[in-house]
This record gives sequence, structure tokens and C-alpha cells, in this order.
Amino acid sequence: QQPVQSPQAVILREGEDAVINCSSSKALYSVHWYRQKHGEAPVFLMILLKGGEQKGHEKISASFNEKKQQSSLYLTASQLSYSGTYFCGTEIYRFGNEKLTFGTGTRLTIIP
Amino acid sequence: SQTIHQWPATLVQPVGSPLSLECTVEGTSNPNLYWYRQAAGRGLQLLFYSVGIGQISSEVPQNLSASRPQDRQFILSSKKLLLSDSGFYLCAWSEDSNQPQHFGDGTRLSIL
Repeated sequence: QQPVQSPQAVILREGEDAVINCSSSKALYSVHWYRQKHGEAPVFLMILLKGGEQKGHEKISASFNEKKQQSSLYLTASQLSYSGTYFCGTEIYRFGNEKLTFGTGTRLTIIP
Repeated sequence: SQTIHQWPATLVQPVGSPLSLECTVEGTSNPNLYWYRQAAGRGLQLLFYSVGIGQISSEVPQNLSASRPQDRQFILSSKKLLLSDSGFYLCAWSEDSNQPQHFGDGTRLSIL
């Protein structure tokens, strides 16, 4: 089943922070985060595996709460380059399952 | 380093015509391969994935098919295109399901 992302869209001024959430109705093995700019292919940001880990990538970090079956992406001190649509991709507990199910996306617009 | 090539970048086809989109990966062996479709302003819909030559899993019943004739080649086909087949088609590869997916530049398909 498709994970639910929230919010669907958000507009920020440069320097502001944002949180994007991804929730699943099923137990998760991993969560992937990607960013897609308009007209381009998605670009990988990070993967979080079960175990509740948190990862960071410059000013973008993410957490994975296995019990709540959700992940959050944190963007701090946002820059214009952060604009785009963010997708989470979830992998349910695997036994021969080799696929991700992507959420509907969160459109992030950063204005000067 | 690994690269993924997808062509053509843009395609305009009449309803009822056949389709063949090709994707090749270089610099790795036995990758997982994926075909996605993205409608305008929407999320990524997984169409097919493959974990090896001749192994194709179909996610959405439709008039599309996929083949993997060689280890690093993935082909998306249709015998007769429908108007609803319009969209942005993306090929991706990964080493494993809990590894990043790397996307090609995509094919923008318009059906007239």
C-alpha cells in the first residue's frame, strides 16, 4: 500500500525549516528519500533501515520510527536549491520483495 | 562508475501504435531494474521490476510489457498504445532493494 506523505505542499522562505512526514500502514524494512526537480528524474537523498536510526546529509536529515511505521525528513535553514518534490519510498518486510512503494510526494517551494 | 542510459528522451506516438523504450546500465552487474510511470504532477507508479535476466515482476495489469534480454538491458513495450499511456517513464537500477535507486533521465511520452 502507498505510504502517505504530509504535507502535500509547503512554501518556505529561505532559511526556514521544514519537516516532511511519511507514514505506512505496514511494518517497514527501510525508507528511502528522493528529491525530484521539475522535469527531471528523482535523485536519491538517503536510506534509513529499521532500527530507528537517524541520518544526516548536509542540512537535510531524516529519522525512522519503526514502531510508528513512519519516517520524517528534516530540512534546516532551507536554501533555494531545496525546492522540488520530495518522495519517500518504503520497503515492507522482505522475503523476496525487491521493490519500493513511493508516496504521493510533498512539493516544497523555497522563496527568497 | 555506474551510469544509466534511457532513450528516447521525448516521444510522440499515435493511439494504437507500438512502443519500445530501452534502458541500459553500465558499470555494474546483475542490477535490480525498474520501470516507473509518472503522470503529470503525480507520484511514481512502479510498473515492472526485474532481479535478473528473464525475471520480470508486473505490478499493474495493463497493456504494457517488459523484458530483460541481457543483464543490464531493460525494455518496456506495448503492442497498442492507449491515450492513458501518456506520461513520464523512468527506468532505475539498484544493487539491492535496500540500496539507492538511480534513475535515468526519463522518457516523456505523449499519445495523440
